[in-house]
Amino acid sequence: RKEVEQDPGPFNVPEGATVAFNCTYSNSASQSFFWYRQDCRKEPKLLMSVYSSGNEDGRFTAQLNRASQYISLLIRDSKLSDSATYLCVVTHTGGFKTIFGAGTRLFVKA
Amino acid sequence: DTAVSQTPKYLVTQMGNDKSIKCEQNLGHDTMYWYKQDSKKFLKIMFSYNNKELIINETVPNRFSPKSPDKAHLNLHINSLELGDSAVYFCASSRTQGNTEAFFGQGTRLTVV
Repeated sequence: RKEVEQDPGPFNVPEGATVAFNCTYSNSASQSFFWYRQDCRKEPKLLMSVYSSGNEDGRFTAQLNRASQYISLLIRDSKLSDSATYLCVVTHTGGFKTIFGAGTRLFVKA
Repeated sequence: DTAVSQTPKYLVTQMGNDKSIKCEQNLGHDTMYWYKQDSKKFLKIMFSYNNKELIINETVPNRFSPKSPDKAHLNLHINSLELGDSAVYFCASSRTQGNTEAFFGQGTRLTVV
């Protein structure tokens, strides 16, 4: 079983839609959680950190459920510019080991 | 000013050759990484260094040898290149260990022919 699993998609949604991605992780000792975004042929960039209490940044909301070992990302009012691959990221081993999920592809269409 | 820069951006080479990829960060970060992203877009950590010391070595063939001359640099040398080494290699850094945001370089697209 992979340490971090995501639905690869692709998710095809119209502009303005709400879309949610889930990610599960296998190591219960995982310490930190993030969502990164990667555009085609570009480097990954941090989208947001994920906290146990949940956190929101504009149209983006991230949730962490430690008991069930999953992380979610909700995007409201999708924009064309949200089209990208979203990577779930988990760290453990004192933070030095960072595991990336395989990514979920999102296409937002006009 | 590029925070994490790696060179070259593209590298095409023949099987059996030895090549190096350089990485430098000007963010003052303590921790640096090398990742490999294969054709299936799966991003896997290869090495993690903290203050020039190797912390993580993820079962990478010993043909891959990272070298960190100082905190700001982490270079990757690959001996006897194989076809399966073709991938995009990303260097990254973070302020301390991986509990903080990692900043990535633009990647080096390596093609072994």
